[in-house]
Amino acid sequence: QVQLQESGPGLVKPSETLSLTCTVSGGSISNYYWSWIRQPPGKGLEWIAYIYYSGTTKYNPSLKSRVAVSVDTSKNQFSLNLSSVTAADTAVYYCARQSKGDVFDIWGQGTMVTVSS
Amino acid sequence: DIQMTQSPSTLSASVGDRVTITCRASQTLISWLAWYQQKPGKAPKLLIYKASSLESGVPSRFSGSGSGTEFTLTISSLQPDDFATYYCQQCHTYPLTFGGGTKVEIK
Repeated sequence: QVQLQESGPGLVKPSETLSLTCTVSGGSISNYYWSWIRQPPGKGLEWIAYIYYSGTTKYNPSLKSRVAVSVDTSKNQFSLNLSSVTAADTAVYYCARQSKGDVFDIWGQGTMVTVSS
Repeated sequence: DIQMTQSPSTLSASVGDRVTITCRASQTLISWLAWYQQKPGKAPKLLIYKASSLESGVPSRFSGSGSGTEFTLTISSLQPDDFATYYCQQCHTYPLTFGGGTKVEIK
């Protein structure tokens, strides 16, 4: 079955760029939309962005000026870059597959990213 | 953005209870609403999509209903594995948004 795994640094300094990669295994990245979602400690969920396997993207306007997502179909991976981070960007970051009308049916386990000097 | 409001924020219940969680949207969603279950330290798990469609593998004690701006998630007979936080998510308009969550606790 399809599995997702996030990877990247767990600690990022303020004003720097947070970079994460999601590796898709057990299936192809093709023909699906793939999203990034985050959850600050003890808080709710926030959708960040999606990317289609072809490279089409859509961003949450609240983060659009700082976010970029990309896809590498040869590696079955997609990535997130979030620039100029502050403590407010501290969260668990999840990657997820979108299907069935823009719901998230498969999720990665999540990776905690702390923004601190 | 479409605002999603869940109630209650916390719910205390016993095994075997019938539990209902409500989600209200600031604009009509038609039936474009999903429900997720999240346990501590884990990723959310999809339970219901398109308001009332049960995700494969999810027990039939979970059901969803509603349309427009008001939706409900019902657990017909609460089981020990069901103590968790539940989130609704609108999938009608971007940006996709979630409710604030309902924590189901042991009474």
